[in-house]
Amino acid sequence: DTGVSQNPRHKITKRGQNVTFRCDPISEHNRLYWYRQTLGQGPEFLTYFQNEAQLEKSRLLSDRFSAERPKGSFSTLEIQRTEQGDSAMYLCASTKGGQANEKLFFGSGTQLSVL
Amino acid sequence: DAKTTQPPSMDCAEGRAANLPCNHSTISGNEYVYWYRQIHSQGPQYIIHGLKNNETNEMASLIITEDRKSSTLILPHATLRDTAVYYCIGGSGNKLVFGAGTILRVKS
Repeated sequence: DTGVSQNPRHKITKRGQNVTFRCDPISEHNRLYWYRQTLGQGPEFLTYFQNEAQLEKSRLLSDRFSAERPKGSFSTLEIQRTEQGDSAMYLCASTKGGQANEKLFFGSGTQLSVL
Repeated sequence: DAKTTQPPSMDCAEGRAANLPCNHSTISGNEYVYWYRQIHSQGPQYIIHGLKNNETNEMASLIITEDRKSSTLILPHATLRDTAVYYCIGGSGNKLVFGAGTILRVKS
């Protein structure tokens, strides 16, 4: 257990529905990342926060995706009008932030299946 | 972030050393070499990282060539629980970009 908690672990939804995932990082960590991973591929960067500010978003993050980190603590990732191509593992990671050589602590991920 | 090249898969006998290579010829001077691994159905786990010097911790050793164009991760006594996907990443600061990694299979 790395200390990064993600909920739910699994989510099955029908195409067109909205889903929301939650990530609770390690308490003293200021930086929080979201990654997406499909079968047989490495994790792909989606976005990251420094405290409550969203500092970078990947082009992979379409308009249907939105991430928030109110008060710089937990974060949520919402996908609107889900599509079958959104089926993937969504991973959250955290780190203290601010240095060039920090290691990321990953949660166990949320596995999304869109039917 | 530097592009890295790793073999898609490797086998290793239990109890022997596992040597996982990585090429990162485009790495810049301020980018670190990171290694993570991912066991099935779990998030990636940090193993080790280095800049120029060789590094060792309780999990592994990292050997970086003098020109920094390649590196080798060494698991000194591989066990069945080391079976995983191993990712070599060149980067720094804001985010890490993962490739497809090397599937290491440790066999008894």
